Amino acid sequence: GQNIDQPTEMTATEGAIVQINCTYQTSGFNGLFWYQQHAGEAPTFLSYNVLDGLEEKGRFSSFLSRSKGYSYLLLKELQMKDSASYLCAVNNGDYKLSFGAGTTVTVRA
Amino acid sequence: DTAVSQTPKYLVTQMGNDKSIKCEQNLGHDTMYWYKQDSKKFLKIMFSYNNKELIINETVPNRFSPKSPDKAHLNLHINSLELGDSAVYFCASSQGSIYGYTFGSGTRLTVV
Repeated sequence: GQNIDQPTEMTATEGAIVQINCTYQTSGFNGLFWYQQHAGEAPTFLSYNVLDGLEEKGRFSSFLSRSKGYSYLLLKELQMKDSASYLCAVNNGDYKLSFGAGTTVTVRA
Repeated sequence: DTAVSQTPKYLVTQMGNDKSIKCEQNLGHDTMYWYKQDSKKFLKIMFSYNNKELIINETVPNRFSPKSPDKAHLNLHINSLELGDSAVYFCASSQGSIYGYTFGSGTRLTVV
């Protein structure tokens, strides 16, 4: 089976940094994705990691350690528009992305 | 042009009715999916088609029947709707098994 865990909620101040952790135990591994989902909207792609290490893309970075079954998404210089749910998802190679329950990030002024 | 489009966006219907949700993608992707997102925001896969062939069929009541007339379309028909079917249903597509998905905007189904 698939087990993907991430915190339910996080709150941070505008301009700050927030790190969202994700741990996973899956039957296979072909990459880890992070998606952003604003309320009432579709999830949109943020990042993809298949090898260990850090991938940086503007204000967002994502890290992966396959041996530890661990990833994090780092959001820097937080803006109000970053208030959303962040979904960790693992591709286990059989045409299926398995999602965590999502972390709701609230950015306060 | 919208990459993955699904209709309708909202659907309110009575228990026992039969309804369909349609999905179309213009990305040329080979694989399409239906996901259900419940009130706790948890996204769970229901079905997947690759080049019109059913490849994933999770534990879903057989009242739910997907149909893929071609690789650009994947529809979802639901018979005898129940209160517990109320959720947001997302269609998605991908190119191959190791790539991320592009999601449609979702269909919010409310069964009353």
